Amino acid sequence: GAVVSQHPSWVICKSGTSVKIECRSLDFQATTMFWYRQFPKQSLMLMATSNEGSKATYEQGVEKDKFLINHASLTLSTLTVTSAHPEDSSFYICSAARDRAGELFFGEGSRLTVL
Amino acid sequence: GENVEQHPSTLSVQEGDSAVIKCTYSDSASNYFPWYKQELGKGPQLIIDIRSNVGEKKDQRIAVTLNKTAKHFSLHITETQPEDSAVYFCAASRRNYQLIWGAGTKLIIKP
Repeated sequence: GAVVSQHPSWVICKSGTSVKIECRSLDFQATTMFWYRQFPKQSLMLMATSNEGSKATYEQGVEKDKFLINHASLTLSTLTVTSAHPEDSSFYICSAARDRAGELFFGEGSRLTVL
Repeated sequence: GENVEQHPSTLSVQEGDSAVIKCTYSDSASNYFPWYKQELGKGPQLIIDIRSNVGEKKDQRIAVTLNKTAKHFSLHITETQPEDSAVYFCAASRRNYQLIWGAGTKLIIKP
């Protein structure tokens, strides 16, 4: 199947710092990528839809100034958690759409811990 | 609003037995139904999917059935193995990529 790589897989940072997470589609071009947040023992919560070359679309309740998304190329989207606080600690997962048929492939996730 | 209900939340089966996870969706316009397997600390992995023009799809030990009239779809795993232990999520979509997720089922395979 298609491969989506996410980096870093885990990161620990101090409160107030910013953290960048990368999502790459390794063997296909993805015009659309998605960012999710997952709390322990819960389902995935869609944060935003990232479209190559345009602004991301954020879900209701997600602060766009807090979670900056950039989709600069057809194979790379980044999520930057700005001025991170302990409540931002979570598992962040990206996904990429390989074609318009709706099939999504997910990255391995990034565990963020804010001290 | 649109939602997907998934049952059970936890399922424990003996190794070698079959496991069935069921989902119900509310949006009758949904036309794409994927199933994902998520292992601890990892991202979800697509294991099988079905579209609304098909009633059943099988891939080795895994099968998915869809009943559009009842708005139900189910995941069937036969001859379960320890490596099948994971959390399984169903989802439904009627627009490209916009998945509505179930709450997940923790599948435990007892040796």
